[in-house]
Amino acid sequence: DAGVTQSPTHLIKTRGQHVTLRCSPISGHKSVSWYQQVLGQGPQFIFQYYEKEERGRGNFPDRFSARQFPNYSSELNVNALLLGDSALYLCASSLGRAGRDEQYFGPGTRLTVT
Amino acid sequence: KNQVEQSPQSLIILEGKNCTLQCNYTVSPFSNLRWYKQDTGRGPVSLTIMTFSENTKSNGRYTATLDADTKQSSLHITASQLSDSASYICVVSAGGSNYQLIWGAGTKLIIKP
Repeated sequence: DAGVTQSPTHLIKTRGQHVTLRCSPISGHKSVSWYQQVLGQGPQFIFQYYEKEERGRGNFPDRFSARQFPNYSSELNVNALLLGDSALYLCASSLGRAGRDEQYFGPGTRLTVT
Repeated sequence: KNQVEQSPQSLIILEGKNCTLQCNYTVSPFSNLRWYKQDTGRGPVSLTIMTFSENTKSNGRYTATLDADTKQSSLHITASQLSDSASYICVVSAGGSNYQLIWGAGTKLIIKP
């Protein structure tokens, strides 16, 4: 069975640009969560989507947005990129709500903003 | 305020030795507690997930304990291997309608030959 997949693997963008990151959950999983992990720190929660609705939002500016599609895949969008947005972006899927059910993480997308 | 604190921040041990990592939490209401292993630059991998009624749970050489009364958990690694070098993160799920996940900062473990 395929695990959680993310694309692209690596990405280099310039300050002020926009980026879209994609995540496909494990088949049958209905919840997707997004995390930002800066080098040397733990993952910081950005969004959780369950059954295509936003169910949680971390302390991130409005430049960050996300959505979940009918097939439960998800996109994370970041506008007006800043140097500080450089990080590993992790997607995790779970059968039901992330806090109730076990989460499975994808390999991440490494975003570098120059 | 919901918090998860881990100790030590980092740990270096020799291959073959055992070690124990600690996690203290102040999360209410409590739903479950998870331990993850994260290799540098990769996504975390779940080691165990424990609910209120579970005291001990093993996954190979990894054994997690949970004391819900003192709000403490530990992760014991037996006969460490070089591949155990990673960050170990404790995550506590708060119950209620939102099931918020509270992440610890992690313990960075280095195994030396």
